[in-house]
Amino acid sequence: GESVGLHLPTLSVQEGDNSIINCAYSNSASDYFIWYKQESGKGPQFIIDIRSNMDKRQGQRVTVLLNKTVKHLSLQIAATQPGDSAVYFCAERRLRGEKLTFGTGTRLTIIP
Amino acid sequence: EAGVVQSPRYKIIEKKQPVAFWCNPISGHNTLYWYLQNLGQGPELLIRYENEEAVDDSQLPKDRFSAERLKGVDSTLKIQPAELGDSAVYLCASSSYPVQGGAAGELFFGEGSRLTVL
Repeated sequence: GESVGLHLPTLSVQEGDNSIINCAYSNSASDYFIWYKQESGKGPQFIIDIRSNMDKRQGQRVTVLLNKTVKHLSLQIAATQPGDSAVYFCAERRLRGEKLTFGTGTRLTIIP
Repeated sequence: EAGVVQSPRYKIIEKKQPVAFWCNPISGHNTLYWYLQNLGQGPELLIRYENEEAVDDSQLPKDRFSAERLKGVDSTLKIQPAELGDSAVYLCASSSYPVQGGAAGELFFGEGSRLTVL
């Protein structure tokens, strides 16, 4: 079946360090892979996405890497800040189907 | 620009009682989603609307859940009767479809309605 899963449920990183959040997926038919950030008491917020025909995409302080060979997705956050503390979800989306399927989530804690 | 607005933010009811949640999407967004989020889990799609048409309701438990999106703007999600297992956060999201500008994966979420069933 299709699934999007995360390797680690929690991750603690020292402020200023880089963090890497990993995600495994099983559905090769996904057109887009997306990372969302969810702060406590709020809805998920879009961070960055990557199309399935790409292997890297960069944003502001964030980089997403896609390895289709091993069906692995990662989110790298550079120079982490206290505001980066949140739960991060990876998700996949079919371009035509429009359905967004979320994984379980990784809680990132930035240590001051 | 106003974001997705949901109400109520919190609702506590006893089992077997009805409950309704309301969502006002971002102006101009024709696609609206209701997601269910259990504690520590990722959101799960309940229903997706394109304008006023429900185009994906395969995950909506139709024996007790219902939704509507009259006039293709606001939407309500109803549970009747509520069960203990319905305690969760109900998230509404919207997007423009076909995707026009922005990122193809971007759904805009409201802050959610947290339901507690006693």
